[in-house]
Amino acid sequence: DAKTTQPPSMDCAEGRAANLPCNHSTISGNEYVYWYRQIHSQGPQYIIHGLKNNETNEMASLIITEDRKSSTLILPHATLRDTAVYYCIVRVGAGGTSYGKLTFGQGTILTVHP
Amino acid sequence: GAGVSQSPSNKVTEKGKDVELRCDPISGHTALYWYRQSLGQGLEFLIYFQGNSAPDKSGLPSDRFSAERTGGSVSTLTIQRTQQEDSAVYLCASSLARLGQGRPYEQYFGPGTRLTVT
Repeated sequence: DAKTTQPPSMDCAEGRAANLPCNHSTISGNEYVYWYRQIHSQGPQYIIHGLKNNETNEMASLIITEDRKSSTLILPHATLRDTAVYYCIVRVGAGGTSYGKLTFGQGTILTVHP
Repeated sequence: GAGVSQSPSNKVTEKGKDVELRCDPISGHTALYWYRQSLGQGLEFLIYFQGNSAPDKSGLPSDRFSAERTGGSVSTLTIQRTQQEDSAVYLCASSLARLGQGRPYEQYFGPGTRLTVT
C-alpha cells in the first residue's frame, strides 16, 4: 500500500472547520484513501473513504486532488469530542496482495480547543 | 446493533505465562483482524482471517503468537510464554468481505484488551 504523510499535530477552535491534510504521492490507480480516527483509550473508528471523487457523509468531507496525490479531511464544525488521532490510510482494492490489513502511520493529533 | 466485543478488557500476567484474548466480531462479518498498539507506537497488523481461506499471518511477531477462528465467528489470540515486550493493547476488528473486485470494506474495531506482562 502507498505510504502517507501527515502533520504530527494540529489545533482547531471549537465550532470551526478542521482541515486535516494527507500526502499520498505514490498512490496507485486501484488504491483508495481511507480515514480513521482514534479517540483516547478507544479502538479506531472509520470516518470516510474515497477513490477519486470528493465524498461527504454525516461525519466529514473528503477532498481528493485531481492527481490523487493528496487529500484533505474536513470536519465542518469541530467539537471537543473530535479531539483524537486521525489516520489517513491508502488501501488497495480487492485482489491486492495486502488487501486485508490496514497499515497505520503516526497520524495527526487533532486538538480541539474551547 | 452490537459492535465488536473483546474480553478481557484488561489482563495482567506474569512473564512466561500463556494468555488468551477473545474477540467476538459483528454478526455477519466474515473478515476478522487482529492488531496491537504498544505504548507510544502505532497500530501494528498481526493477522487476518477471511472466511475459509488460509489466514494472513504475516504480521505475527514470533511463533509465540497464534490465533484461531472457530466456526467463522469468535477468534482467540494466544500468546505463549509472554514477555514484557508483549505488553500492549490488542485490538480486534471485523468487516464484510468483498469476494470480487472493488474497494475494501471498512473495518470496525473493538475496544481492545490491555495486556500487561510483569
